[in-house]
Amino acid sequence: DMKVTQMPRYLIKRMGENVLLECGQDMSHETMYWYRQDPGLGLQLIYISYDVDSNSEGDIPKGYRVSRKKREHFSLILDSAKTNQTSVYFCASSWDWGVEQYFGPGTRLTVL
Amino acid sequence: QQQVRQSPQSLTVWEGETAILNCSYEDSTFNYFPWYQQFPGEGPALLISISSVSDKKEDGRFTIFFNKREKKLSLHITDSQPGDSATYFCAAKGGRALIFGTGTTVSVSP
Repeated sequence: DMKVTQMPRYLIKRMGENVLLECGQDMSHETMYWYRQDPGLGLQLIYISYDVDSNSEGDIPKGYRVSRKKREHFSLILDSAKTNQTSVYFCASSWDWGVEQYFGPGTRLTVL
Repeated sequence: QQQVRQSPQSLTVWEGETAILNCSYEDSTFNYFPWYQQFPGEGPALLISISSVSDKKEDGRFTIFFNKREKKLSLHITDSQPGDSATYFCAAKGGRALIFGTGTTVSVSP
């Protein structure tokens, strides 16, 4: 069953706290992505990972970092979260760059 | 800089009508254009896609029309059903990543 999972689904943090968002996939996809989705802005790419320990910045990497130590697992880390990082975060994976991407269900993060 | 633009932002059609969603892009090197469908509370899912060597792609009630010269494409949803109510994202493959538009929210009234 091809699936991308995200944990947690909902998260409330205070400004300045650290945040860890987890993503997993069971398709052995090489490429994984982190996006954020805000009303009226669509999906904005934060980071791409081409494989274990092979990560590249996307369009809006500032304030975020990622970790990929296993092919099936990709983490997004917010060190000292800011209120403007309140958003819905989606993880995705694909066999190739930009070809069909499989998205997870999203994590709704609120930073107070 | 919005490289992929979508219009309208939202659209309401009656059941059975055809919904037309528009998309335009700027970079002539884009060569693959997927459309993603997203229901509330879920992640986007690939609906249909077209490459720049084709001018039309059909999959059931969903059809993409592509005009390379004008850098425009459209998604037609014929015989719209209430279950088609969702947000639709046009995307373009630019290098190693997909560039998404801001989406069109479609509501189908029974």
